[in-house]
Amino acid sequence: GQQLNQSPQSMFIQEGEDVSMNCTSSSIFNTWLWYKQDPGEGPVLLIALYKAGELTSNGRLTAQFGITRKDSFLNISASIPSDVGIYFCAGQEANSKLTFGKGITLSVRP
Amino acid sequence: KAGVTQTPRYLIKTRGQQVTLSCSPISGHRSVSWYQQTPGQGLQFLFEYFSETQRNKGNFPGRFSGRQFSNSRSEMNVSTLELGDSALYLCASSLGPQGAGNTEAFFGQGTRLTVV
Repeated sequence: GQQLNQSPQSMFIQEGEDVSMNCTSSSIFNTWLWYKQDPGEGPVLLIALYKAGELTSNGRLTAQFGITRKDSFLNISASIPSDVGIYFCAGQEANSKLTFGKGITLSVRP
Repeated sequence: KAGVTQTPRYLIKTRGQQVTLSCSPISGHRSVSWYQQTPGQGLQFLFEYFSETQRNKGNFPGRFSGRQFSNSRSEMNVSTLELGDSALYLCASSLGPQGAGNTEAFFGQGTRLTVV
């Protein structure tokens, strides 16, 4: 089945640093979504992208829909302790279900 | 506007029992999808319902079933529980069916099922 690749599995950064994470696919997607999940909670939608090349911001978060439509990246600037969590990307082909990456666990050292 | 509501939040069951989980989508949303999340496995798709019809089904045994009611609320049932069914079960609602375009999925807080 369809797979999204998110790597590495874990990232460790210092508070105040920027961090970038990306997601790649073997197929072309029409939609890219980025979610954050806190322990014991459901994923929360951070950013939705609908057009190739689209760059969208949500506070300190910025995400881009890759030109090839096979990748997307999420950037977090000036990280803070509450950025800790698991970040998932999800992609969607036309007339098909959402596919999720396995997630990247982000740790922020104060 | 209320978000996606899942009940119960926590559940402990014994092997061999069955369990029913409930999901109330965001008002106006007609699609509900269910996922199983276990450490290291990410989000595994179970099934999607739209307008009371199952649109997609993941690769899970027949012990996992679901349904959707006319008010878009959905239930998921697992029969003959196994230890490996212990997981966080998440449901997500969206306005239209997955794949229809511009349909963002919003998750509930999940139901933590522990099978002992």
